[in-house]
Amino acid sequence: EDKVVQSPLSLVVHEGDTVTLNCSYEVTNFRSLLWYKQEKKAPTFLFMLTSSGIEKKSGRLSSILDKKELFSILNITATQTGDSAVYLCAVVGNEKLTFGTGTRLTIIP
Amino acid sequence: NAGVTQTPKFQVLKTGQSMTLQCAQDMNHEYMSWYRQDPGMGLRLIHYSVGAGITDQGEVPNGYNVSRSTTEDFPLRLLSAAPSQTSVYFCASSYSIPMNTEAFFGQGTRLTVV
Repeated sequence: EDKVVQSPLSLVVHEGDTVTLNCSYEVTNFRSLLWYKQEKKAPTFLFMLTSSGIEKKSGRLSSILDKKELFSILNITATQTGDSAVYLCAVVGNEKLTFGTGTRLTIIP
Repeated sequence: NAGVTQTPKFQVLKTGQSMTLQCAQDMNHEYMSWYRQDPGMGLRLIHYSVGAGITDQGEVPNGYNVSRSTTEDFPLRLLSAAPSQTSVYFCASSYSIPMNTEAFFGQGTRLTVV
C-alpha cells in the first residue's frame, strides 16, 4: 500500500522566519511528487517534482526531491501571514495520487 | 473558465438516505477522482476514473458508487448514508493519469450525516 508521511504535523512560527516541511514516501512505481497549499477550501497546486536534486522555485517557496532516500522538502523563506495554510504532499504511483495528512503552518504576525 | 465544479457545496442527510454528489469539468480531462478529507487523515482516495466508461476503487470505496458515462461528469453516489460518511468531499481532474500534470480540485462538498 502506498504511504506518504509528512512532518511536522503542525508548525507555528513568527513572520519572517524560514520553515522547512518534510515529506517521505513509500510508493509502488513512483511517477512524481506534488505539493499543494490548502487554505479554507480546495488545494491549490504549488510544485511537481519528478527528478532528484533539481530544485523547483517560485518566489519564496522552493522544493527538492531525493528519490534515493524517498523524501522531499518544501522551504518557505521570509514567511508572511498569507502563508498560513495546510501544506499537502502527494505522490503519484500506479494511476493514483496518494496524499499525506498535511502540515498545518501558522504564521504569527 | 469553470474548471472543476462540484455541487452541492453543503448537504445534511439523515442516516439511510441516498444522494449523489455531482462533479463536472470542462477541461477535457481524462482522469477524474473523488477524495474525502477528514481531520487528521489527509485526503483519501475513494474512486477514480482514467476515462469514460472506466472506473476503479481507491483506498476507501465502501459505501460509495461511481460511474463515468461522459468525459465531463463523474458523480459520486452514497447509497445509504451513515454518520461515518460525514466529511468534506473533493472531486479532482487532470489531463491524464496524474504523472505529468497537476490535479485540479473542485471547491468541495461538506456533507453531514445525522
